[in-house]
Amino acid sequence: SQQGEEDPQALSIQEGENATMNCSYKTSINNLQWYRQNSGRGLVHLILIRSNEREKHSGRLRVTLDTSKKSSSLLITASRAADTASYFCATEINDYKLSFGAGTTVTVRA
Amino acid sequence: DVKVTQSSRYLVKRTGEKVFLECVQDMDHENMFWYRQDPGLGLRLIYFSYDVKMKEKGDIPEGYSVSREKKERFSLILESASTNQTSMYLCASTLPAGLAGAETQYFGPGTRLLVL
Repeated sequence: SQQGEEDPQALSIQEGENATMNCSYKTSINNLQWYRQNSGRGLVHLILIRSNEREKHSGRLRVTLDTSKKSSSLLITASRAADTASYFCATEINDYKLSFGAGTTVTVRA
Repeated sequence: DVKVTQSSRYLVKRTGEKVFLECVQDMDHENMFWYRQDPGLGLRLIYFSYDVKMKEKGDIPEGYSVSREKKERFSLILESASTNQTSMYLCASTLPAGLAGAETQYFGPGTRLLVL
């Protein structure tokens, strides 16, 4: 089974609104990563947060990590049409391998 | 910028054909991966390689093999394509893990394979 699972499966918001998605995982980790996938394309790395970090920012992205609850959240502020994509969290299985969840599909309506 | 390229964006093959998917990265990464992606199932690891000629099975290796003769190139082979191998195939590469755990993976654009 997958180590990380995103919630919700799908999200539809108006342009300018914020989008929040969550990731829960099962075992302890060294870091957690978030990726974006535009329709029919490869994944693009967004942000990596280490286990000793609680919050990290990158532009309009804010990621939090709560290791006691084994969960992370990704917040996209002031969404744009270009943010329409699927978002995946990835957690380590071991030094080499990541486990990806099934993703959250975000639709930003104009 | 890291660049990972895949030989085809779209591929249509017939059942029983031998299929080769090629992946090339230009960042001298040790680790390379092949995933398949199906709706609702996320990414599932087929095989990965941590060095030239070295490989390790992932979660779903059945029906697939791989080849890594050069550091920059990692090939996925479907020995005898079947309709249940119709999927999106994604290649990725990364540096070896650091003290802080697994590193960022860099993905190619994907190959959408249809087996008829």
